[in-house]
Amino acid sequence: ELKVEQNPLFLSMQEGKNYTIYCNYSTTSDRLYWYRQDPGKSLESLFVLLSNGAVKQEGRLMASLDTKARLSTLHITAAVHDLSATYFCAGYTMNRDDKIIFGKGTRLHILP
Amino acid sequence: KAGVTQTPRYLIKTRGQQVTLSCSPISGHRSVSWYQQTPGQGLQFLFEYFSETQRNKGNFPGRFSGRQFSNSRSEMNVSTLELGDSALYLCASSLAATLDTEAFFGQGTRLTVV
Repeated sequence: ELKVEQNPLFLSMQEGKNYTIYCNYSTTSDRLYWYRQDPGKSLESLFVLLSNGAVKQEGRLMASLDTKARLSTLHITAAVHDLSATYFCAGYTMNRDDKIIFGKGTRLHILP
Repeated sequence: KAGVTQTPRYLIKTRGQQVTLSCSPISGHRSVSWYQQTPGQGLQFLFEYFSETQRNKGNFPGRFSGRQFSNSRSEMNVSTLELGDSALYLCASSLAATLDTEAFFGQGTRLTVV
């Protein structure tokens, strides 16, 4: 069964700095998703990565996928306080048990 | 375009009771999935419905059940509630059955079992 691991689980960083969240998965994943969750709120879809080498960017966030290494990264450039949230990656395998499997999430706190 | 709507938003129940949660997907979406979110276990898949059929089920006891109606609205039922069922229950809708498109989440129903 697909397993998804994120690291770090907690991250405190200063505004203006760059950082990367890593997402490793155990078996072939046909899709890789990134979600953001603010405290007490639902999940907001950030990126869907479909193929090896896929890179998507939205504002200060950039996600990439390396299917050979079974690794996705979410890179934050010049962080701002508004990006403080919990970020989840999730994998999906298209087989008879297809379902989205989430990582534990990375709680990101950006200090002003 | 309206998003995914879950009702109620908050619920307090006592042990042994049962509860029904509702999810209305985005118009035109036919797939609805349910997830349980707890601090300890994170986000765990409960089940997925497409065109009124349950396609997949996660590793939850039979006390957790669901259904989907012809208008794609879905309900989730938990019987004989236990304290450990306290969680945020999220539903997600997507266009297709295989979740190969983006999944949009509702605001969730926060269930507290006392």
